[in-house]
Amino acid sequence: NAGVTQTPKFRVLKTGQSMTLLCAQDMNHEYMYWYRQDPGMGLRLIHYSVGEGTTAKGEVPDGYNVSRLKKQNFLLGLESAAPSQTSVYFCASSKTNEAFFGQGTRLTVV
Amino acid sequence: GQQLNQSPQSMFIQEGEDVSMNCTSSSIFNTWLWYKQDPGEGPVLLIALYKAGELTSNGRLTAQFGITRKDSFLNISASIPSDVGIYFCAGQVSNFGNEKLTFGTGTRLTIIP
Repeated sequence: NAGVTQTPKFRVLKTGQSMTLLCAQDMNHEYMYWYRQDPGMGLRLIHYSVGEGTTAKGEVPDGYNVSRLKKQNFLLGLESAAPSQTSVYFCASSKTNEAFFGQGTRLTVV
Repeated sequence: GQQLNQSPQSMFIQEGEDVSMNCTSSSIFNTWLWYKQDPGEGPVLLIALYKAGELTSNGRLTAQFGITRKDSFLNISASIPSDVGIYFCAGQVSNFGNEKLTFGTGTRLTIIP
């Protein structure tokens, strides 16, 4: 039982490049979330999903897209990376309201 | 959007001291959660609170759900080195999982040798 697994753990992108962050959970949770964490800002919700095939915008969705084609996976895409998207990204999943987090992906956009 | 103010932003204490931190909201929450984040890791749930006035303990940690539903408190007794990290409060309007959590900005705890 691995919980919530994020890949990759680190990535450096050039401005304008695209990439996809993968989140996988093996707890059969309905709800999945993507957050970004910046110094002094806490965790801010980017997008979330309440079940397979559904997605919804969070607090800071601009510049990101998501997909939930399978219940266990939640993908976060950056179509054209910008330096402002340099951050640590966390995926989480929950059955009720007790969210379980992955270890994070540190993304640097240069 | 909803705002969670967490204080203090940072604390420097000596091993063995007790710690108190709190979180206040501009609006009512019906669920309060406290998380701890170690360096390089994701947040881990410490305590969950579901009723106004509720007081819940987890070992040396005690958290309370404020009567007004707009605040919550976390206390750590007799701190030890492994308590170092960032503590986040999180609130949710409903008791159901399909509502997103709102996080505070965190309290960074450092233990001075």
